[in-house]
Formats: sequence, structure tokens, C-alpha cells
Amino acid sequence: SSDLTQDPAVSVALGQTVRITCQGDSLGAYDASWYQQKPGQAPVLVMFGQNNRPSGIPDRFSGSSSGKTAALTITGAQAEDEADYYCNSRALRNTHLFFGGGTKLTVL
Amino acid sequence: QVRLQESGPGLVRPSQTLHLTCSVSGGSITSGDYYWTWIRQNPGKGLEWIGFVYHNGNTFYNPSLRSRTTISIDTSKNQFSLTLTSATAGDTAAYFCARELGGALAGTIDYWGQGTLVSVSS
Repeated sequence: SSDLTQDPAVSVALGQTVRITCQGDSLGAYDASWYQQKPGQAPVLVMFGQNNRPSGIPDRFSGSSSGKTAALTITGAQAEDEADYYCNSRALRNTHLFFGGGTKLTVL
Repeated sequence: QVRLQESGPGLVRPSQTLHLTCSVSGGSITSGDYYWTWIRQNPGKGLEWIGFVYHNGNTFYNPSLRSRTTISIDTSKNQFSLTLTSATAGDTAAYFCARELGGALAGTIDYWGQGTLVSVSS
């Protein structure tokens, strides 16, 4: 079971903006991180901390949080952004690492 | 550039033990800045954290798997391993080894192995 809740599926028109959310009680001690996973591949970190993008991640990806909700926003979605997106968070030091159930993003 | 690579059998018989090794290159596993982590993904499902080992051998496991799981570290080989006993069909999954950041960014997994598919079947 997952302490973090994500919408199972979201769609966005090409070039439009989409917000993927993650809710849960474990979003407290540490910020959520976000991962993109394409079929047959390992997840890739796309956002961490308050709003930090790893090297190589396009600046159309941004992150935010408020209380027990974290969000990943893609501004100007591209076809290559179609993937599953997972959030995760560690509630407290040396405790369970939770993952959200994942959101399947479709770019129309 | 840090790289992680899983290795181990792709097929395990029911009730037997699943054992995987993760080889780390491009960085030392003895750094106290990271947790060395195993994550799995059942076919068509989401990600499930299994547990981690720290550079000093300390471990922490998912409560749902704790009774069957051992994660160990071999600093001389820059490797860490996963052992899961009493395997069942429910353990059929892609298994990923990964590096989790510590400190204020705990929970962030910045490097992943490519994953290895393990099937539990007779």
C-alpha cells in the first residue's frame, strides 16, 4: 500500500500545461521527489527538493509543494514527456520510503 | 558518472531464495552521504521500496518484507546485495538497485540501475 496518492492517469494537449499531484501524510519531514519512467526503462529523477531539476532535465519541468500536497508541473508538454510519473518521500530519518502509485501521462 | 548494475538469476523456484548483487562504479560505496537501496516493480504495477543499507552496514527494511529480506554491503568490492527468502509468484518483478541521497534530501534517488527482471516460477 502507498501512503502517497496520485491520480492514475492524466492527459494534456501537446504544448499545454499539466500539473501532476501527490498527496500524503509522509510529505512533511522531507520534500517529495519526482521520477519519470518510460516503458521498459528505469525511472529517472526529474525533480527534487523544493524545485530542483537534475542536470539534463528540461526547464519546462517545475515542482511545488503546499502542506501535504506536492506537484510536478510541465509547462508546454512535449510528446517525449508521455510516461509514468512517480512521487516519493521519506517520512522521517530511517523510516519507510513511500512511493505514490504513479500517474500515467498521455500527451494528445 | 555513477553507474549501478544489477546481476543475478532471472528465474527463481518458488520457496527458494532470490539473491541479487548491485555493482557500483564511478563512486565509492563507503561514502556516508548515501543510502544504497533496493526497489522493485511488479509487472504493470508501481514502485515498491524494499530497503536500504548504509555504508557501515546498518539497514532498514519495508515492514511488509522485513521478515524475508537481508541487504548487505561489501565495501571491498563496491557492491551491495539483496537476499529475499521463501520466494513466491508475488516476488516476480523488476528489481532495481539505486542510490538514495541522505541528509536534507533524504528520499531522493538520484541514480538507478537499469533493473533486472526476476521471475518466480516452477
